[in-house]
Amino acid sequence: DGGITQSPKYLFRKEGQNVTLSCEQNLNHDAMYWYRQDPGQGLRLIYYSQIVNDFQKGDIAEGYSVSREKKESFPLTVTSAQKNPTAFYLCASSIDGGRGDEQYFGPGTRLTVT
Amino acid sequence: GEDVEQSLFLSVREGDSSVINCTYTDSSSTYLYWYKQEPGAGLQLLTYIFSNMDMKQDQRLTVLLNKKDKHLSLRIADTQTGDSAIYFCAPAGPGRRALTFGSGTRLQVQP
Repeated sequence: DGGITQSPKYLFRKEGQNVTLSCEQNLNHDAMYWYRQDPGQGLRLIYYSQIVNDFQKGDIAEGYSVSREKKESFPLTVTSAQKNPTAFYLCASSIDGGRGDEQYFGPGTRLTVT
Repeated sequence: GEDVEQSLFLSVREGDSSVINCTYTDSSSTYLYWYKQEPGAGLQLLTYIFSNMDMKQDQRLTVLLNKKDKHLSLRIADTQTGDSAIYFCAPAGPGRRALTFGSGTRLQVQP
């Protein structure tokens, strides 16, 4: 079964701790994306990667970091510098970023920081 | 950059048609997507239209595009309770790094 997996579905952390969200795809897509969703605000782009070993900041990259060492994987670290990290995080992939290709989404990870 | 506007809420009765509207600003958008999000889940691609089309029909879904006014709509015929979800409009185009999403329209279907 091809698709995108995100784990875990729910994540709880104490303030001041870094946390890494997992995103894996077996669709053989070149491009991967991380979005953040807050109630009533739609999706905002955090980081994206069009190819292995390369990634670019999105609109709200401050307080986040990513890596893209493998085509299949694009983990997102929420650092202690992120002022309001509690949100729903969505990972997506597309065949070839930059062409306006449709994106396929994972099920999301809900992060709660207290 | 691209701005995308959607109304936040729509309520219809089961069996009626639903029309969800979207306006966007970037006239170079070549693909215009509609996604559906059920509570606590990721986004599911529903349908899309290319910018050289005015209309696309896909079973109960009809997408209308007015390129001059940069207005996109999604009509759901015979709306069912299972259609209750948030619907996102997302224009995209060549050279753009990612999709731009509207705030989403929450569709509530009353039995």
